[in-house]
Amino acid sequence: GAVVSQHPSWVICKSGTSVKIECRSLDFQATTMFWYRQFPKQSLMLMATSNEGSKATYEQGVEKDKFLINHASLTLSTLTVTSAHPEDSSFYICSVIGRTFNYGYTFGSGTRLTVV
Amino acid sequence: LAKTTQPISMDSYEGQEVNITCSHNNIATNDYITWYQQFPSQGPRFIIQGYKTKVTNEVASLFIPADRKSSTLSLPRVSLSDTAVYYCLVGDNNNDMRFGAGTRLTVKP
Repeated sequence: GAVVSQHPSWVICKSGTSVKIECRSLDFQATTMFWYRQFPKQSLMLMATSNEGSKATYEQGVEKDKFLINHASLTLSTLTVTSAHPEDSSFYICSVIGRTFNYGYTFGSGTRLTVV
Repeated sequence: LAKTTQPISMDSYEGQEVNITCSHNNIATNDYITWYQQFPSQGPRFIIQGYKTKVTNEVASLFIPADRKSSTLSLPRVSLSDTAVYYCLVGDNNNDMRFGAGTRLTVKP
């Protein structure tokens, strides 16, 4: 399966600032990556599908101007939370489709965002 | 996309076998069934994947009946470290993966 690196693992920022989260596919050229958000005691919620070289596809209810996704290369997708607010505090996780479906989807280790 | 239904929670004791069943009545012909494990503050980790009948690896077995409308993840001789949330997902490599509620397994000493 693919190896996925997500950075940072945790970040604290002030309200109104922006935070960038990186998701790297280390050994696989990923044309598609996915971004999820997870609140405590809840399941993962798909936010958007990140496509290399084109605009991301956002799920209903996810503000595309607030959660900026850039997938400029086959190995890197970034999620930028703009003008962060405390309600944006959550666990953000990226995933990559594996080289073959025998390994399903590989997930990053997640980023814990706390907005104060 | 096929929707999945799992028990919200399960309790077990160390050394026991745990079976978690997932219902996916609307599974499509091209869909695979994949199970993930998630610990707190970590990304989900792949456990096992199957299409039909039985699949076994070093950590689990996956049983899929002929109609494929359900699947059962079997964890042999669980330990405290198996306490986690287990997700069943259904799809093919062309779909985004949408998570159900998952099953919170608690293994007690």
